[in-house]
Parts: sequence; C-alpha cells; structure tokens
Amino acid sequence: GESVGLHLPTLSVQEGDNSIINCAYSNSASDYFIWYKQESGKGPQFIIDIRSNMDKRQGQRVTVLLNKTVKHLSLQIAATQPGDSAVYFCAENFGNEKLTFGTGTRLTIIP
Amino acid sequence: NAGVTQTPKFRVLKTGQSMTLLCAQDMNHEYMYWYRQDPGMGLRLIHYSVGEGTTAKGEVPDGYNVSRLKKQNFLLGLESAAPSQTSVYFCASSSPSGRDSFGPGTRLTVL
Repeated sequence: GESVGLHLPTLSVQEGDNSIINCAYSNSASDYFIWYKQESGKGPQFIIDIRSNMDKRQGQRVTVLLNKTVKHLSLQIAATQPGDSAVYFCAENFGNEKLTFGTGTRLTIIP
Repeated sequence: NAGVTQTPKFRVLKTGQSMTLLCAQDMNHEYMYWYRQDPGMGLRLIHYSVGEGTTAKGEVPDGYNVSRLKKQNFLLGLESAAPSQTSVYFCASSSPSGRDSFGPGTRLTVL
C-alpha cells in the first residue's frame, strides 16, 4: 500500500546550526502534507503544512519544501535550539479524511 | 479552549479485561480519530469518525470499538484486552479543511 517514509531515523545537529529532516512519499495523489513535532511524553504538535499546489512554505524558523517530481518533502529548521529536540513526523493526505504518518525522525541537539 | 483532552492518562489492565478511553474536544471539529503509537513506529489509525453518529475503520481496527454519540466526544473501547494492545493511544480532531489537533495520549499496559 501507499506509505510515507523517512530517510533517516535519527539526526544530531549542533545547536545554532540548521536542521533538515527529509520525508519520501509514494502516493502521487497526495495533496496535503503536514509536519508534526512530538516531544517526549506528549502528543504530536502541528508545525507547518503545505498543499500540493505549492513547493515552499515558510513559518517561524521553519520551512517546508515539496518536490512533487521526486515525491519528497523536507522540513528545515533554522538556528536549531535545545527545545527543538523531538521526534518529527511527516504526514500526507490524499483527498480524504485520513492522514498517513511516517515513522518519525528523532532530532537531537548537541550543545 | 482546552483543545483535545483524554482520560485516563495511564491505565494497567489484565488480559481479558475491558475498558473505555474517552476523548473530548471543544473546538467543534467534525472529524475525530483514534491512533496508537508503538515504539519505533509512527501513528497508526485505529478508527475514525467524520461526524456525530458515524464511525469508520482505520488501519488497525481489530480488537477495538468506537462510538461517537456526541460531536465533542469519541470513545474507544477494548472489549477483551490483549498484551498486543499495550501502546500509547492518541486522540485527534480536525475540521474538514484543517490539520489534526492531538490530545496528550493515554499510556495503556496490558499484562
């Protein structure tokens, strides 16, 4: 079946550097994508989303890039801070009520 | 707004026991979802509802039942708990055009 996958399960980044978390999706019909952040012991928290008619969207310190040609999604976090340590999930929606989640990438910030 | 709340936060069951997890949302969202999250895996959809009085199966529905008698509440039931149902359960809600808002989770252990 269709699935959302992540290239790397773990990522360690020096504090102050930029982080890039990648996600591959396989359903070409997907038209909505979301990035979630999950801190230890908490529920996922919305970070940023993007629709398939866009290739880039920026938020506060975060940018999501969508490459529909290669079915790739990335989350860029600028000037990474200790509070950014968490597991990051991408999720896709293909025109129905449900989201399909990837397995997550654990981001660790090195002081 | 309290957002999405879940009760209880923790529960330990013996094999064969039954229990109900309660999810409540105060955002007037139409859609509600129950997910489970196991170590090293992403969120998997158990059941969902697109409106009061409706329910539908997700990816992993076996062993669970749900009810949506009121728009703001979505109940998840385990009729006869099994150790394989040890997991963290998350409820979420959304509007048809919006992103999911998640609750804090319920950690369930089945002995």
